[in-house]
Amino acid sequence: KQEVTQIPAALSVPEGENLVLNCSFTDSAIYNLQWFRQDPGKGLTSLLLIQSSQREQTSGRLNASLDKSSGRSTLYIAASQPGDSATYLCAVRLIYNQGGKLIFGQGTELSVKP
Amino acid sequence: EPEVTQTPSHQVTQMGQEVILRCVPISNHLYFYWYRQILGQKVEFLVSFYNNEISEKSEIFDDQFSVERPDGSNFTLKIRSTKLEDSAMYFCASSGGGTGALGEQYFGPGTRLTVT
Repeated sequence: KQEVTQIPAALSVPEGENLVLNCSFTDSAIYNLQWFRQDPGKGLTSLLLIQSSQREQTSGRLNASLDKSSGRSTLYIAASQPGDSATYLCAVRLIYNQGGKLIFGQGTELSVKP
Repeated sequence: EPEVTQTPSHQVTQMGQEVILRCVPISNHLYFYWYRQILGQKVEFLVSFYNNEISEKSEIFDDQFSVERPDGSNFTLKIRSTKLEDSAMYFCASSGGGTGALGEQYFGPGTRLTVT
């Protein structure tokens, strides 16, 4: 059974710092991995989708990397801002789940202090 | 920018009552999903839907649950007889384009269901 784990559970950093969020998964037979942002009481905003054949994907200050063989992905946030404060979720889609099922981690709650 | 919408934002119901949660997916998407998040827990997959039938469902999605695409724009989740443990945030999502069910999923803002 696929398990997705995110470390740390919570992170507090001063504004301007670069930071890395970690996601690990037990089954490497993934089709792709998606990173989301969730603000308190709100929906999920898709940040990046990285295919299993890709090593990394970038959008603005965000960079996601994927190492399928070791079952890890990282989300790098450059020059963090208070507006980046949210919970960040990673989710994987296995190759067996042709119906598109995403399996989520529990998230990393990020707080960026001014 | 196109987005997934959901109504209502909050639904309170009594145990044993039927509820229908509504979603309007992104207009050119063909793959639709429901997920739920119990307070403090992970987001969990419930069901995926394509071409008017269920593509995949989880063990949570038992006979009390059903999904429907009643017209060209809406996608609904029905819970026939709600239980206290159905209290959660329910998210609708959709995906489309060339990669279909394997493409990027876009989520709605959620419906918070409270069963009393």
